[in-house]
Amino acid sequence: QSALTQPASVSGSPGQSITISCTGTSSDVGGQNYVSWYQQHPGKAPKLMIYDVINRPSGVSNRFSGSKSGNTASLTISGLQAEDEADYYCSSYTSSSTLVFGGGTKLTVL
Amino acid sequence: QLQLQESGPGLVKPSQTLSLTCTVSGGSISSASYHWTWIRQPAGKGLEWIGRFSTGGSTNYNPSLKSRVIISVETSKNQFSLNLSSVTAADTAVYYCARFPWASYYGMDVWGQGTTVTVSS
Repeated sequence: QSALTQPASVSGSPGQSITISCTGTSSDVGGQNYVSWYQQHPGKAPKLMIYDVINRPSGVSNRFSGSKSGNTASLTISGLQAEDEADYYCSSYTSSSTLVFGGGTKLTVL
Repeated sequence: QLQLQESGPGLVKPSQTLSLTCTVSGGSISSASYHWTWIRQPAGKGLEWIGRFSTGGSTNYNPSLKSRVIISVETSKNQFSLNLSSVTAADTAVYYCARFPWASYYGMDVWGQGTTVTVSS
């Protein structure tokens, strides 16, 4: 299985919105609504931010939102804050009942 | 509150078997509502899904690692384990265990803190 494709880096100023894309195939992202997003700060374990494409776990800010169109999923962070600076990873369940991650995106808050 | 904790040797010699254990506290590993997963992350690189075990008895592995990986569960100890054979320097990474509540939604909601494993002679 091939890793999902994410941009290596994105940046934005405080208060702005950014979007991170995650492109797969019809065997993973496009095949079912099982995309999740994780936030990882340096030296820390990943944290689930979005599951099943659009849903936020309890406790995650509503500034984080997810969507999907075809084989591409997206994570949007609105009202950027300094604490949002982190690495972000998408993941998708596949038609082979495995999981695959994206390569990760480094978010810089300017 | 459910917590996961990885444990095992921090140094493994090339060609040997890497063995790690994830201890689950604050909840039972026996529930069929969850998959128990292993993920790894080489220094400075991205996350890689290794595989998962369900107490219902099914396992799935990353195709690139499938020939070398075994994930098993010891319900009496509330633990699950990772065995990765014939390791090389490319297996050096931080290894995480995580819970995947497939019966509710598809995302890994509880993670261990991670344990660093170095493959070196």
